[in-house]
Amino acid sequence: SAVISQKPSRDICQRGTSLTIQCQVDSQVTMMFWYRQQPGQSLTLIATANQGSEATYESGFVIDKFPISRPNLTFSTLTVSNMSPEDSSIYLCSVVRGDYGYTFGSGTRLTVV
Amino acid sequence: QKEVEQDPGPLSVPEGAIVSLNCTYSNSAFQYFMWYRQYSRKGPELLMYTYSSGNKEDGRFTAQVDKSSKYISLFIRDSQPSDSATYLCAMGLGQAGGFKTIFGAGTRLFVKA
Repeated sequence: SAVISQKPSRDICQRGTSLTIQCQVDSQVTMMFWYRQQPGQSLTLIATANQGSEATYESGFVIDKFPISRPNLTFSTLTVSNMSPEDSSIYLCSVVRGDYGYTFGSGTRLTVV
Repeated sequence: QKEVEQDPGPLSVPEGAIVSLNCTYSNSAFQYFMWYRQYSRKGPELLMYTYSSGNKEDGRFTAQVDKSSKYISLFIRDSQPSDSATYLCAMGLGQAGGFKTIFGAGTRLFVKA
């Protein structure tokens, strides 16, 4: 299965600032996914990142708030912009395995103060 | 009504007990069903996946799907303290549905030595 390296693992940020999360996969993949996991809630898909095209955002998430880059088949970044305390969450990148299951990175625990 | 319902727990059992974790869902179009295990400060890891009604066994773990009742279960036999984690069910659509996957909120399990 793919190995995903995600960083930073955690950060504490001031409101109004931005944080960029990096996700590196050890093999080439077509689609990469960015999820948010809030305490006590299910994983929520933010967007799907395809190499060479703009990311596809889910309802409730917009590009201005969560810009995504996908420069090649092994790397993606998610930026959380103009942060507020409501953005405090765990952010996870993932890729799809051939059997429809996802492999996840270890996540980025973000606290906005 | 949420598409996937999962009791958040926590569920506390003694070592060696049989654990039963459950999810219900509302979308009869779901084609595949998965269970993930998530340790603290880690990303979810795929435990089991299945496409059909019935049971699928893998070591101490058994996944059960009842499509007629829209109900899935994960059984853990001879539970160990190392099984203490959050367990997330997930279910989704295949290629025709854009590989949409919905996660449950997760059940926290504690196995006491």
